[in-house]
Amino acid sequence: AQSVTQLDSQVPVFEEAPVELRCNYSSSVSVYLFWYVQYPNQGLQLLLKYLSGSTLVKGINGFEAEFNKSQTSFHLRKPSVHISDTAEYFCAVTEASGGSYIPTFGRGTSLIVHP
Amino acid sequence: DTAVSQTPKYLVTQMGNDKSIKCEQNLGHDTMYWYKQDSKKFLKIMFSYNNKELIINETVPNRFSPKSPDKAHLNLHINSLELGDSAVYFCASSSLAGDTDTQYFGPGTRLTVL
Repeated sequence: AQSVTQLDSQVPVFEEAPVELRCNYSSSVSVYLFWYVQYPNQGLQLLLKYLSGSTLVKGINGFEAEFNKSQTSFHLRKPSVHISDTAEYFCAVTEASGGSYIPTFGRGTSLIVHP
Repeated sequence: DTAVSQTPKYLVTQMGNDKSIKCEQNLGHDTMYWYKQDSKKFLKIMFSYNNKELIINETVPNRFSPKSPDKAHLNLHINSLELGDSAVYFCASSSLAGDTDTQYFGPGTRLTVL
């Protein structure tokens, strides 16, 4: 079984500032890692994912995340945020290579971008 | 073209009623899911279903039942609605054979039980 911890429930930041949303996971097997974004009153959509290979993954809207196996982390970053990035962000994990395909989601981090 | 669609978008009903939420995906995916998102945004998986198996989260009351008439549809039927069932329900789909577990979500159904 795996678990996901998003350490910050809310992250306020000013427009054009950098941001990092933290995600740590726990699993006894290899995993795939995902970040999803949920804009107000919408469903979740994929931002980026790590399956294998390069540990730095680039996603949509200028976001990137780095997989750190030793620290079991997959933190999401953006160098300069916009008002439109205000949303809920979810980190998720599934088992790699034919394991359980059912994702485990973190509790979400609310990114609030102020003008 | 909407990839995963749900109806209705809003559902307001009285305690004790039975209701259904419909979900359709046109992505050709083989697996569909139902999630419940509470007022604190916590996302909890309720069911996962493909041609071969139905996986039920054991914490889900048996008043909730998924019904799949075909691969493209997974409806959620809820009996004897309770106040605590108020939440946003999301349908999602994925392809075990293809896109390596990426979930595609519908827009959600906001259920309010009075």
